[in-house]
Amino acid sequence: QQQVKQSPQSLIVQKGGISIINCAYENTAFDYFPWYQQFPGKGPALLIAIRPDVSEKKEGRFTISFNKSAKQFSLHIMDSQPGDSATYFCAASARWGNRDDKIIFGKGTRLHILP
Amino acid sequence: DVKVTQSSRYLVKRTGEKVFLECVQDMDHENMFWYRQDPGLGLRLIYFSYDVKMKEKGDIPEGYSVSREKKERFSLILESASTNQTSMYLCASSFLAGGDYEQYFGPGTRLTVT
Repeated sequence: QQQVKQSPQSLIVQKGGISIINCAYENTAFDYFPWYQQFPGKGPALLIAIRPDVSEKKEGRFTISFNKSAKQFSLHIMDSQPGDSATYFCAASARWGNRDDKIIFGKGTRLHILP
Repeated sequence: DVKVTQSSRYLVKRTGEKVFLECVQDMDHENMFWYRQDPGLGLRLIYFSYDVKMKEKGDIPEGYSVSREKKERFSLILESASTNQTSMYLCASSFLAGGDYEQYFGPGTRLTVT
């Protein structure tokens, strides 16, 4: 119940296309859903995050879509660019959990944008 | 800018050696974490700490221990390194516990055990 399932494991998209990464969760106590982006040789960094009181959040070319009833959320990268090539992790946590609650990460998606 | 630094980018150790990985954060964060990252397995939590001298086991604590004597420093210790501990190790810190906190990651230490 603590898992966050992420797919696909790897993704190749043409430059200018739309990249879509999907995640699903079981724990209904989760109410914060961030995405992290990791470039080679670097640690992950927060890209965008959503709370379940909205169904969509957009920041530039990056959009999170959230479906509370299905317990699914996804990252869409519009007009994908070679500079977007990275590993993406979805994650989930409970905002009002216990002190030792922790964020749960998906297994990651390696995205490669063809020039 | 929040900065999380790790003592080494690359480390090569022999089987059976005791290995120390150091992590320092400069933002007075309460929480600190150690993950290992392996292809296809994502980020797996080894240990975390929500206060000085406090530690909690993560998902894969076996073969590891940690130390947090000061708020800004969190050390990961491999008591007797084994080849299956060859991995990328990532340290992270965050301000709040159990909330919508952002985790700030260091650049990672790639450890090879031969």
